[in-house]
Amino acid sequence: QVQLVESGGGVVQPGTSLRLSCAASGLAFSNIGFHWVRQAPGKGLEWVAVIWYDGSKKYFADSVKGRFTISRDNSKNTLYLQMNSLRAEDTAVYYCARDRGVQWFDPWGQGTLVTVSS
Amino acid sequence: EIVMTQSPATLSVSPGERATLSCRASQSLSSNLAWYQQKPGQAPRVLIYGASTRATGIPARFSGSGSGTEFTLTISSLQSEDFAVYYCQQYNDWPRTFGQGTRVEIK
Repeated sequence: QVQLVESGGGVVQPGTSLRLSCAASGLAFSNIGFHWVRQAPGKGLEWVAVIWYDGSKKYFADSVKGRFTISRDNSKNTLYLQMNSLRAEDTAVYYCARDRGVQWFDPWGQGTLVTVSS
Repeated sequence: EIVMTQSPATLSVSPGERATLSCRASQSLSSNLAWYQQKPGQAPRVLIYGASTRATGIPARFSGSGSGTEFTLTISSLQSEDFAVYYCQQYNDWPRTFGQGTRVEIK
């Protein structure tokens, strides 16, 4: 079955960088778009970014635009989120999710926690 | 940005009763709306897409309705495993946006 496994989270200081990975299996990775969605502790869901199946289009939430980049390596079935200039408000569980028709998200990975704190 | 507003914030329901959750969009979505369920410590999972189509494996007690700016998720007879937080999400425009969630708790 489809499995998405995020990694790369941790505790970092404000202003630093971190790269998250999402390893996918059980699907035709190179034919599918993917999203990152985050959830601050005890809060709701916030969409972060999307990348088209071939990397040709990328969209970002205003809150991360210019600081985060999304990329993919279709040879490794892996999605990435490069996060620069991290702020305390970026503290959240970050989920990767498969795009369904540039519409909804299904399934989701189990998430990786990023904590930005001095 | 399309703002999604869910009500109520918390819904207290007894097992076996019906639960009705609302989601309102700040502009028309046509039927470009999905519903997700999230249990503590778990990732969200999709329940409904296209405002009213149940996702694969979702029990028939979950139903979605509405179009335009007003949408409803109904759980016809709450089971113990249905107590969770529910989110609506629009995919009519970028950025994709979620409602703030409705927590369904045991009465």
